[in-house]
Amino acid sequence: EVQLVESGGGLVQPGGSLRLSCVASGFTLRSYWMYWVRQVPGKGLVWVSRINPDESVTRYADSVKGRFTISRDNARNTVYLQMNSLRAEDTAVYYCVRGGSPPFEYWGQGTPVTVSS
Amino acid sequence: EIVMTQSPATMSVSPGERATLSCRASQSVDNTLAWYQQRPGQAPRLLIYGASTGAAGVPARFTGSGSGTEFTLTISSLQSEDFAIYYCQHYNDWPFTFGQGTKLEIK
Repeated sequence: EVQLVESGGGLVQPGGSLRLSCVASGFTLRSYWMYWVRQVPGKGLVWVSRINPDESVTRYADSVKGRFTISRDNARNTVYLQMNSLRAEDTAVYYCVRGGSPPFEYWGQGTPVTVSS
Repeated sequence: EIVMTQSPATMSVSPGERATLSCRASQSVDNTLAWYQQRPGQAPRLLIYGASTGAAGVPARFTGSGSGTEFTLTISSLQSEDFAIYYCQHYNDWPFTFGQGTKLEIK
């Protein structure tokens, strides 16, 4: 069974940092693009970042470029999102999503991030 | 960035009736279009990809159509569990973008 389990969310002050983790199971992580999507409670969905299987290609939403870094450790079946210089507008639930075919079929349960003083 | 516009924002429909949800892209996305269902407190669930291909385990009452800039999700006979928010999303090129969602309410 494919599973994606996020962790690392929590309460952080503006300007602070958090590292989110997504542990994958039930499939071979190194074969898939992986993504992070966020959702402000009660609002819509936004793609945050993506990374290809060998980590040679990463892309970011303009709103997080220069502050967030996506990475992966295929040996540990884990994808990361390092979030620096956090702002109030980064407050959201962050989901880990698997690519492949069909695309975006598997989502984690989400980890909440709150940026507040 | 491609803007996805969904209509209507809210739709009130009676169980057993048909619902037709629309999604428009600001430029052509070919058939790189997905539909999701999201229930409160849950992650989005993939319903349709490639504009018209049903994801595994999705009931046949959900059908997708369209290509280019105009897309439709049809739910043929609404069941109680179908009342939720529906999002369309293109994956033609980065950044992928979602529509703002259509909330399907019980009439």
